[in-house]
Amino acid sequence: GAVVSQHPSRVICKSGTSVKIECRSLDFQATTMFWYRQFPKQSLMLMATSNEGSKATYEQGVEKDKFLINHASLTLSTLTVTSAHPEDSSFYICSARARGGDLGVQFFGPGTRLTVL
Amino acid sequence: AQSVTQLGSHVSVSEGALVLLRCNYSSSVPPYLFWYVQYPNQGLQLLLKYTTGATLVKGINGFEAEFKKSETSFHLTKPSAHMSDAAEYFCAVSDRVQGAQKLVFGQGTRLTINP
Repeated sequence: GAVVSQHPSRVICKSGTSVKIECRSLDFQATTMFWYRQFPKQSLMLMATSNEGSKATYEQGVEKDKFLINHASLTLSTLTVTSAHPEDSSFYICSARARGGDLGVQFFGPGTRLTVL
Repeated sequence: AQSVTQLGSHVSVSEGALVLLRCNYSSSVPPYLFWYVQYPNQGLQLLLKYTTGATLVKGINGFEAEFKKSETSFHLTKPSAHMSDAAEYFCAVSDRVQGAQKLVFGQGTRLTINP
């Protein structure tokens, strides 16, 4: 149980295009989903927190107009990187908290590697 | 603000030897503490967590960690390393405020197991 999937697992795009990444909780309802960014050999940096049906809360320094987050249902959140540039290349990981789940526990997706040419 | 420091970005041990990964935290109130493991090109998997109660917590794959409030530490140990333990390990802290309960991660420790 408590499986989180991400799609796609890997994407390569041209500079200036937009890319959408999906995060799904497969066997539980996710009241809150989180989006992280991880640079090579570095830790995870929280980008934003999203609750179903409400606007995402972005961390300081994260451009909300560039990283669009939609949490339309209790099992799906999407991250859209708009007008992507090479500096946006990174490993994007989502996580989810389950309704009624253990305190503080987040279940992580396998990540999406974005390469912008 | 909370923060996590993992001493040693890279730890190397021999197969069968003791594994010790260090984690110190900074928090104004007793936090929730976690250890996660990340295998290459994968997401994070929860190893163990401390929220309340017994300060020595046992997790999966033979790992355990002890919460020491006086030392603000939550070091991860395993008595005997296996080759399959080679991975990146992250210590994380979360506050006790209701709501989103964001995680703050340490910088990670890469564990290498020598045959």
